[in-house]
Amino acid sequence: DTAVSQTPKYLVTQMGNDKSIKCEQNLGHDTMYWYKQDSKKFLKIMFSYNNKELIINETVPNRFSPKSPDKAHLNLHINSLELGDSAVYFCASSPTLSYNEQFFGPGTRLTVL
Amino acid sequence: AQSVTQLGSHVSVSEGALVLLRCNYSSSVPPYLFWYVQYPNQGLQLLLKYTSAATLVKGINGFEAEFKKSETSFHLTKPSAHMSDAAEYFCAVSDPGSNYQLIWGAGTKLIIKP
Repeated sequence: DTAVSQTPKYLVTQMGNDKSIKCEQNLGHDTMYWYKQDSKKFLKIMFSYNNKELIINETVPNRFSPKSPDKAHLNLHINSLELGDSAVYFCASSPTLSYNEQFFGPGTRLTVL
Repeated sequence: AQSVTQLGSHVSVSEGALVLLRCNYSSSVPPYLFWYVQYPNQGLQLLLKYTSAATLVKGINGFEAEFKKSETSFHLTKPSAHMSDAAEYFCAVSDPGSNYQLIWGAGTKLIIKP
């Protein structure tokens, strides 16, 4: 029944490692997003995809690479992890790009040691 | 560029008291406005949204917000706070000029005192 799911929920890793976070939505939505929430709860859009096409690519280090194999999935791969990458990463989806309301996943808490 | 300002990073009210969380926006076009709630260790959930219909919008859990164009405000209220309302609340505005990206406020943590 989960609408937007993310795996893993927690991710603890060492600096310099490469890791991926997976996101899946079973709502039939066209648009998916990745957000980063820092320790002060500030939300920052990272990427958005519409029908597997990259729409928004904010100022994010190129160590972060999103991949959308199909409309229902948007994964986030992070190379050469740094301490500053520690945050909660949220995936979200919306029916269309202009629909506005976004449905969020439960988040992945990434801790880089 | 559009922006959202939430006044007060923390708001503390007693159980049963009125909740008022403030949100002001800047927008050059009629906005779509949203309030989201984030309970501890969870994702964000939509509370309510304004999409240019009625200016008083009712949401879930007894919350409502009023769109005031003259004040560029979209404050969130609830007549009587419950302990279960303790959470982080985010105001957001949709930016059609940036592919309908949501522009987020910094969030307000609502603390409920017994």
